[in-house]
Amino acid sequence: DSGVTQTPKHLITATGQRVTLRCSPRSGDLSVYWYQQSLDQGLQFLIQYYNGEERAKGNILERFSAQQFPDLHSELNLSSLELGDSALYFCASSVSGRMDEQFFGPGTRLTVL
Amino acid sequence: AQSVTQLDSQVPVFEEAPVELRCNYSSSVSVYLFWYVQYPNQGLQLLLKYLSGSTLVESINGFEAEFNKSQTSFHLRKPSVHISDTAEYFCAVSESGTASKLTFGTGTRLQVTL
Repeated sequence: DSGVTQTPKHLITATGQRVTLRCSPRSGDLSVYWYQQSLDQGLQFLIQYYNGEERAKGNILERFSAQQFPDLHSELNLSSLELGDSALYFCASSVSGRMDEQFFGPGTRLTVL
Repeated sequence: AQSVTQLDSQVPVFEEAPVELRCNYSSSVSVYLFWYVQYPNQGLQLLLKYLSGSTLVESINGFEAEFNKSQTSFHLRKPSVHISDTAEYFCAVSESGTASKLTFGTGTRLQVTL
């Protein structure tokens, strides 16, 4: 158990819908990362937050957005969902976001029908 | 920008045999290198990392990897594998000095059989 929690574990929805994935980092970690793992694209970095502020951005679609709240939990919002958005979404956290180990959560499996 | 190539998508090996999982990277700047392992239906766990110093790094469960700057490689090795090593292994790179976003390879499925 990494100490990073993600909810829900599974999510099944329809095209065009909007979903929110939630991540709670390990106690004491200030930085949160979101990754997408799909058969087509592999593991891809989406976005990083540090203490509420966006720090780095990767291959995140405009239909996707994220934020980190004052209690340091983070949410990833996916809207106008398409079939190709079906994937495993991982959240990771680290203490500072620089030169330190990222601890991964168990992931949220999103299925878009 | 960085990229990572894991040439072998699957590596079958018998228990107690040695194994090498290959990883090559491309980057215009200095990098940090990582190996992560993903067991079925679980998240990723850090296996080992190279930040600086000795080019040979070891994990607590017998894996080791050597950073070779001239060949831009970071191959993972274990002299004797166990059934419990069956998992997906991902090589990753990040820009040194920041170590924020990780760029992953496509993964290598290590299948250990009796």
